[in-house]
This record gives sequence, structure tokens and C-alpha cells, in this order.
Amino acid sequence: SQQGEEDPQALSIQEGENATMNCSYKTSINNLQWYRQNSGRGLVHLILIRSNEREKHSGRLRVTLDTSKKSSSLLITASRAADTASYFCARTLYNQGGKLIFGQGTELSVKP
Amino acid sequence: GAGVSQSPSNKVTEKGKDVELRCDPISGHTALYWYRQRLGQGLEFLIYFQGNSAPDKSGLPSDRFSAERTGESVSTLTIQRTQQEDSAVYLCASSSISGGNQPQHFGDGTRLSIL
Repeated sequence: SQQGEEDPQALSIQEGENATMNCSYKTSINNLQWYRQNSGRGLVHLILIRSNEREKHSGRLRVTLDTSKKSSSLLITASRAADTASYFCARTLYNQGGKLIFGQGTELSVKP
Repeated sequence: GAGVSQSPSNKVTEKGKDVELRCDPISGHTALYWYRQRLGQGLEFLIYFQGNSAPDKSGLPSDRFSAERTGESVSTLTIQRTQQEDSAVYLCASSSISGGNQPQHFGDGTRLSIL
């Protein structure tokens, strides 16, 4: 399977704490993307990081990519109850159009 | 509307029946994708349309699954002779260009339940 691994599978933290989610994969990538999914809804794009980039920021989100270790992490700083959702990493491969290969996701719960 | 629209939002049907799911992408988006999400799982790629090019059907799980798209507009995903293992949420996404360097915009999905 080309699917990667995400850990942890579930994470429960208090509001104000930071949350870190990790994603690993096996094959070379074109880029890696992080998405959020609220219960019963579609996915919302958070950040896209290209294979030649190492770090990207967007507001309270920071994504790192280490292609030598075939891994990425998503850091949410100063978490809020509204950040409660499932978070997925997904990657695209060269010459395979834009189809996304998803990890299993991390279920984040932020308690007020 | 501004987003990707999918219908119906929920579909319950008996095993063996055919179902048709619809996706209206964002206007002007040339790339359209279908994914399947089983309960508690990540998304599995099913099929990808890009303009007038031949679709990438490599993710379709069996010949009971098919999809069509007319130009750069609506797409329909058809499942024939449904089985219980087809129960899942079917998600559609579109993006402005293909190649994977643009984010995908997702609809809220069709929750399909096979009795």
C-alpha cells in the first residue's frame, strides 16, 4: 500500500497547549498537504509544502518536511476548542496528476 | 454556490441496487477527483478527471464502479449492484489545475449506506 502512517491516531490536549501530529510515507513525493476534517464534513485544505521546501507557516500552523526521513509534522500552537477535528496528511506523486494519497489521520480533541 | 456541491447528502439503499452520486465542482476548476472514506479511515482515491484527457481510473475497486464527467462540469459516480462493503462516504474534490500543486476543494460528501 502507498498509504503512509500518521501518529498519534488520537490526541487529547487542553486549550492553549500545542499539538503536534506526524506523518511518514514510503515513496518519493511531489508535495505533501495537510487537511482538516470536522465531523460529518468534507476536508479543508490547510497547508501545501513542496518537496524542495522544509518548513511553512500559516497563522498558528507550522508544517515541516524532511524528505530524507520521509516524514512531515504539523504543529498547531496555542490550540483552541475549535481546532477539534481530524487532521490528515496527503501527498501527491510525480507524473500521477494530482491524486492525493492519504494517511489514516489524527483525531485531535482540544478541551476547553 | 462558491464551493463543491454533492448530492444526495445521504443515501440508503438495498443491496443489489444501483446508485448514482453527483458532484458539482467549483466553476472553472478543470480537475475533479472522487474519493471514498470508510468509517474512521483516511480517504482512498477512486478516479480523476482533467479537462478532456482520459480519466485516471486506477483507484476504482471493481467494474461495478464507473464515473463520468461532461467537459469541466458535473460528474456522476455510479455504483452498480451495490454490496454492503460499498457503505462509506464518497467525497468529491476539484482544483483549478492538475498536477497536484494546487489545493483540492472538497464537498461534504454523500454518506452511502447499503442495507
